[in-house]
Amino acid sequence: GENVEQHPSTLSVQEGDSAVIKCTYSDSASNYFPWYKQELGKRPQLIIDIRSNVGEKKDQRIAVTLNKTAKHFSLHITETQPEDSAVYFCAAGDDMRFGAGTRLTVKP
Amino acid sequence: ETGVTQTPRHLVMGMTNKKSLKCEQHLGHNAMYWYKQSAKKPLELMFVYNFKEQTENNSVPSRFSPECPNSSHLFLHLHTLQPEDSALYLCASSQDHRRGPGLSQDTQYFGPGTRLTVL
Repeated sequence: GENVEQHPSTLSVQEGDSAVIKCTYSDSASNYFPWYKQELGKRPQLIIDIRSNVGEKKDQRIAVTLNKTAKHFSLHITETQPEDSAVYFCAAGDDMRFGAGTRLTVKP
Repeated sequence: ETGVTQTPRHLVMGMTNKKSLKCEQHLGHNAMYWYKQSAKKPLELMFVYNFKEQTENNSVPSRFSPECPNSSHLFLHLHTLQPEDSALYLCASSQDHRRGPGLSQDTQYFGPGTRLTVL
């Protein structure tokens, strides 16, 4: 099965700075890579995803990059805001293995 | 926010009780999922149903028993649970669930979860 590792486990940035979270996966057949944001006490919500036929996808301040050769994909958040503070999860594989999560704190 | 609903939102039960969690999706999806989310652990996939058929059971103990009467409803029946089963149980749905090389998954939409405490 798939094995997904996510780093860092915690990330603290100043408002306006960029944040980058990286996930590595083991199954080269994986071809769908979503990122979820989970605010305290709320459900995980999809914020962006990428499929293996593209290398990068962007949606306003959020972008995801995929390197299939190296088997890793990253979430990039630019111009961070306090409301970006949450736990972010990546996932990969047929059986949707989730990473352990990254707790992002954006300091005003 | 109302695409996937779960009841109850909170549940406290003793180890000898029997209870059920309910999930309903209003998105016209064909696949439904149960996940367990514990503190300091990744989201763990428990069960997958696609077109009412169970397609995955990730080595979940038999004290958890899923039921999917139709594509819109999913239940998780609980009996003789242990305190370590205390967690947030999340339901999700997606258009379909595909397995195999070259097949891409669909986006999953999560419900709000049931916070379960086993005493």
